[in-house]
Parts: sequence; C-alpha cells; structure tokens
Amino acid sequence: NAGVTQTPKFQVLKTGQSMTLQCAQDMNHNSMYWYRQDPGMGLRLIYYSASEGTTDKGEVPNGYNVSRLNKREFSLRLESAAPSQTSVYFCASSGGTRGYTFGSGTRLTVV
Amino acid sequence: KQEVTQIPAALSVPEGENLVLNCSFTDSAIYNLQWFRQDPGKGLTSLLLIQSSQREQTSGRLNASLDKSSGRSTLYIAASQPGDSATYLCAVDTNDYKLSFGAGTTVTVRA
Repeated sequence: NAGVTQTPKFQVLKTGQSMTLQCAQDMNHNSMYWYRQDPGMGLRLIYYSASEGTTDKGEVPNGYNVSRLNKREFSLRLESAAPSQTSVYFCASSGGTRGYTFGSGTRLTVV
Repeated sequence: KQEVTQIPAALSVPEGENLVLNCSFTDSAIYNLQWFRQDPGKGLTSLLLIQSSQREQTSGRLNASLDKSSGRSTLYIAASQPGDSATYLCAVDTNDYKLSFGAGTTVTVRA
C-alpha cells in the first residue's frame, strides 16, 4: 500500500539550477496535485492535473512547470531555481471515496 | 473563495483529557471535508473524510462532525495520548480541484 511516492526526499540546489520532482501514485486516481508548504503560509496549490492529459495552474504556478506523464505519474520541474522556492513540496492524488492522499514530501533548499 | 479557519491555533492538555478541535468554513457548498494529521517534518496523514451528505464519521478514538448549514466541523479525540501530539489540519473540498486548508491546530499532550 505505497499510496503516493515522492522522490527525492531532500535536495539542495544552487540558484539557477534546474531539477524535477517526481511523484507516482498506485491508487488509480484520476487527479493529481503539487503543493508547497511554507511556515505561516500553509499549503498552497502550485499545479494540478484533473485527469491524464490535462494540467492547470493553481495559486502559485510561477517558476514551475508540470508534466502528467501517464495516469500514475505527475512531475514538477523547476527550470531556474530561486531562493524563494525553498520549501517543502507535497504531491497528492484524489479519486473515489477516499478523498486526498498525500506523499511524504520533498524538502528543497535553494542557496 | 472558500476560507477555512481553525480554532484554537494551539492546544496543550494533560494525557487522558478529551480534545476538541474546531474548523469553520465560509461557503457551505462543499463536496466533502477531510481531517489530516501532520507530524513535524512529515507528510499529511488522512484521519477522517466526511462527505457532504454525512453528519459525522468515526474511527477509533476519533470522531468528526459536520454541520454544513453553519459551516462548521469538529474533530473530537477521546482520551488523548502523548502520541496524539501533532498538527491537525482541516481541509474543505469544493470539487473544483482546489482543496482549501485551515492553518491547523498544534496539539501537545503532556504525559
């Protein structure tokens, strides 16, 4: 019962570097999401994918891109990392009657 | 826009006492409401999901109620234990792929 799996768990980047955060779910959910969590700001939606083949912007999409690779996988890419993108990133999926399931998070530091 | 408020922001109780966590939301047209637990440095763990047609859900020592007309949900934790220490988040789903979170209640249960 893996649920939602995120990789990597920790990452340190230099300003201007790029990276991709990976997310996979094994619950056959249609919808997937990327959130960031910052102290005092709570959880904010970056992008979501309502179903395979579609993606839409959330509350804070600037500086990010996403790819819904297939029904299981949804990746988040930072093209040119900035210190303001230092955060904890959570992937989630939803579908059926279980509501939302979250991954364990990626702690990203941009120096 | 759905606004979700959680009161109190923090709570400290002796072991064995019952916990009452409150969540209020501004738009009663919800799809469901979900309570999560988050331990420091960890992801979100789903505790209870209440669908809009339901009034309450129970799991072990946890009971959550929902009153859509007044825009309120309450999470009750019976006979608290030190292991219940965590941050509890209320999240409202309006079926538009944008889960609205409260800021959370941080609970400390003293042994």
